[in-house]
Amino acid sequence: GAGVSQSPRYKVTKRGQDVTLRCDPISSHATLYWYQQALGQGPEFLTYFNYEAQPDKSGLPSDRFSAERPEGSISTLTIQRTEQRDSAMYRCASSLLGGAQETQYFGPGTRLLVL
Amino acid sequence: AQSVTQLDSQVPVFEEAPVELRCNYSSSVSVYLFWYVQYPNQGLQLLLKYLSGSTLVKGINGFEAEFNKSQTSFHLRKPSVHISDTAEYFCAVSGGYGQNFVFGPGTRLSVLP
Repeated sequence: GAGVSQSPRYKVTKRGQDVTLRCDPISSHATLYWYQQALGQGPEFLTYFNYEAQPDKSGLPSDRFSAERPEGSISTLTIQRTEQRDSAMYRCASSLLGGAQETQYFGPGTRLLVL
Repeated sequence: AQSVTQLDSQVPVFEEAPVELRCNYSSSVSVYLFWYVQYPNQGLQLLLKYLSGSTLVKGINGFEAEFNKSQTSFHLRKPSVHISDTAEYFCAVSGGYGQNFVFGPGTRLSVLP
């Protein structure tokens, strides 16, 4: 696609429910990143993919968080048994090859509110 | 490991005045430095980046930043701001190895008429 898209844009859920967030990166981009951004903070790295491989998931805060990118394009981030502290903006970004010097292109984000 | 400090959480400035947004970083390896801007209800977009070479980097919308290795700084400047520059600005550092980007907490620039 022309840019990075994310869905849904807003998600309200009750504590204990599972949620799945979706990211559709720029079609030619090999690398996809997930970030969590709390209110008043900068984005914090969660995990990234090179095509379908997931070399680094060190930023995932707990085993309730998981991500996948099975065909090397669209990715999903799933949070199981959501807690109120999971409320945040979740941002997806993609880059062409994943080099440290490359520009990342961000989607609009999904704002998650856990009640 | 890298870290980024943006000391000013909010910067109000009058239209057509100059502005400087400060960024300091720490890293044990050579780094690449970035400034991203986030307009309301939009995703982050790149303003400029420093990879190597000239320490003065020019970006979009009249912004520029200067890399200072001895002071580990990468301050963002614009000589004359517009109302449309009102946004949140994030400084980020990327290590020469590995894939992680580390963002600062952001500076909210408010341009007043």
